[in-house]
Amino acid sequence: EVQLVQSGAEVKKPGESLKISCKGSGYSFTSYWIGWVRQMPGKGLEWMGIIYPGDSDTRYSPSFQGQVTISADKSISTAYLQWSSLKASDTAMYYCARLSSAAPVSPFDYWGQGTLVTVSS
Amino acid sequence: EIVLTQSPATLSLSPGERATLSCGASQSVSSSYLAWYQQKPGLAPRLLIYDASSRATGIPDRFSGSGSGTDFTLTISRLEPEDFAVYYCQQYGSSLMYTFGQGTKLEIK
Repeated sequence: EVQLVQSGAEVKKPGESLKISCKGSGYSFTSYWIGWVRQMPGKGLEWMGIIYPGDSDTRYSPSFQGQVTISADKSISTAYLQWSSLKASDTAMYYCARLSSAAPVSPFDYWGQGTLVTVSS
Repeated sequence: EIVLTQSPATLSLSPGERATLSCGASQSVSSSYLAWYQQKPGLAPRLLIYDASSRATGIPDRFSGSGSGTDFTLTISRLEPEDFAVYYCQQYGSSLMYTFGQGTKLEIK
């Protein structure tokens, strides 16, 4: 069974750093792109970026380029999303999701349960 | 960058009725690489339709997708109580970009 299990909720202060994780299981982790999606409170879905764990090829949405860093450790089947300096506007639910095929032109078929990040002074 | 616009923002219908949700693209979506997702409160989105008209695994046949180019439609033939949720369209064919529409909330009338 394919599963993406995300790390737990985080409460941080503005200016702090953060790295959240997404562990894949039940499939060949290195063969499928993993993406990150932001959902701000009461708002819609925003695609942030994707990574191919096989070779760490990473692409970012222009809206998030330079704001976050996506990485992966294929030895432990885990993808990461990190911030170097959080802002209150980073408060949101963050989902990881897997592309449905090895080809990047495919939808997200499996999703993590989400990680709620709250940034408040 | 392709922009997706969904309409209506909110759709109020009763169980048993037919729902028609629209998704318009600012430019043609290549090879109909368009998906629809359902999201219920507190849960992650679920893939319903991909490649504009193919149902994902386990999705009931009351859900259907159609369209090409810049105009796409999600139809729910007879609404069940569990279908009331928010629906998003997404394109995934453009240069490794995965834009979402802003969503349509389907609510019980």
